[in-house]
Amino acid sequence: DAGVTQSPTHLIKTRGQQVTLRCSPKSGHDTVSWYQQALGQGPQFIFQYYEEEERQRGNFPDRFSGHQFPNYSSELNVNALLLGDSALYLCASTFGLGNQPQHFGDGTRLSIL
Amino acid sequence: GESVGLHLPTLSVQEGDNSIINCAYSNSASDYFIWYKQESGKGPQFIIDIRSNMDKRQGQRVTVLLNKTVKHLSLQIAATQPGDSAVYFCAENSGGSNYKLTFGKGTLLTVNP
Repeated sequence: DAGVTQSPTHLIKTRGQQVTLRCSPKSGHDTVSWYQQALGQGPQFIFQYYEEEERQRGNFPDRFSGHQFPNYSSELNVNALLLGDSALYLCASTFGLGNQPQHFGDGTRLSIL
Repeated sequence: GESVGLHLPTLSVQEGDNSIINCAYSNSASDYFIWYKQESGKGPQFIIDIRSNMDKRQGQRVTVLLNKTVKHLSLQIAATQPGDSAVYFCAENSGGSNYKLTFGKGTLLTVNP
């Protein structure tokens, strides 16, 4: 039973570039949330996708966008990268929208030079 | 505003002792709380959750206590083992019916053999 998988594991970009991160949810899950975790901090909620729509959004600019596919996998896109976007990007999945534990992948470490 | 914080950023215990990690939350409307364990280079791992209609929940070697009067959450780990060494985060659903987790900054637990 595969857990949440994310790709790539590490990525290096330069300022102004664009990046796409990918996530496959845990088997049986249909809801995907994305988080940004800066070094030494707790994860911060970016947005959540359910039924291929963005359902909730945190305090992140429009440079951050996403997509969910019919197979429930998801992508996180970040445009016009800034140095401050350097972080661990985590994907979490669950079933439905109710109060259930979210299961996390091991993240993508994004470094901006 | 919505925030989850921790009283102790670091905690060092001896193997076999019991550990208590504390967390304060500020959103009185939060109805669901989760404790996560994060090891270096890994994503957060679900430990235990509790709903706001409960004040205590037990798992294997772990107990979560919820005090809604003072908006306080704690995680108790019995017979702490070296494998328990990690950063522990509390998280609350601050989105109500729109599920959105807000994380604290974390507590680093170090277990000395």
